Amino acid sequence: KQEVTQIPAALSVPEGENLVLNCSFTDSAIYNLQWFRQDPGKGLTSLLLIQSSQREQTSGRLNASLDKSSGRSTLYIAASQPGDSATYLCAVEANAGKSTFGDGTTLTVKP
Amino acid sequence: NAGVTQTPKFRVLKTGQSMTLLCAQDMNHEYMYWYRQDPGMGLRLIHYSVGEGTTAKGEVPDGYNVSRLKKQNFLLGLESAAPSQTSVYFCASSYLTSGKETQYFGPGTRLLVL
Repeated sequence: KQEVTQIPAALSVPEGENLVLNCSFTDSAIYNLQWFRQDPGKGLTSLLLIQSSQREQTSGRLNASLDKSSGRSTLYIAASQPGDSATYLCAVEANAGKSTFGDGTTLTVKP
Repeated sequence: NAGVTQTPKFRVLKTGQSMTLLCAQDMNHEYMYWYRQDPGMGLRLIHYSVGEGTTAKGEVPDGYNVSRLKKQNFLLGLESAAPSQTSVYFCASSYLTSGKETQYFGPGTRLLVL
């Protein structure tokens, strides 16, 4: 059974700092890995999707990497802003139509 | 495009009552999903559908039924609600799962079972 772990559970940083969120998974046979953002009381918004054949994806200040062999992914956020405060979830799709989610990392960026 | 919408946004039920949650998408997506989100347990897949008229069980299907009579709609039913079904329910959809397509999520339905 695929298990997804995100560390840390919560993170608080001052504005402007660069930061890394971590995601690990137990089964390396995956289709893709996605990073989502969830604001309080809202649904999930996809940030980045890394296909199993890719090593990284970038979007603006966000960069996600994937190392299938070690079962790890990182989400790098550059020059953090208060608007980045949210919960970040990673999800791996190992079977068609079935994704396994981590519990998320709640990020607070202080002005 | 409205994307993925869910009805209702919030509901309180008494134990034993039944209800149906409605998910609608206007993106012509083939795949649709129902998840529940609970503190400390992440999002867990309840049921999913790979196309109109088809449904399949996810990780936690017990106590729930689903139907996909129309491509754009995916219904989640609770026949006899239990307090353990208190949760936030999210619907999602995707074009297909080739490893390249992301899932689009609705805003969620908060359900409280007393």
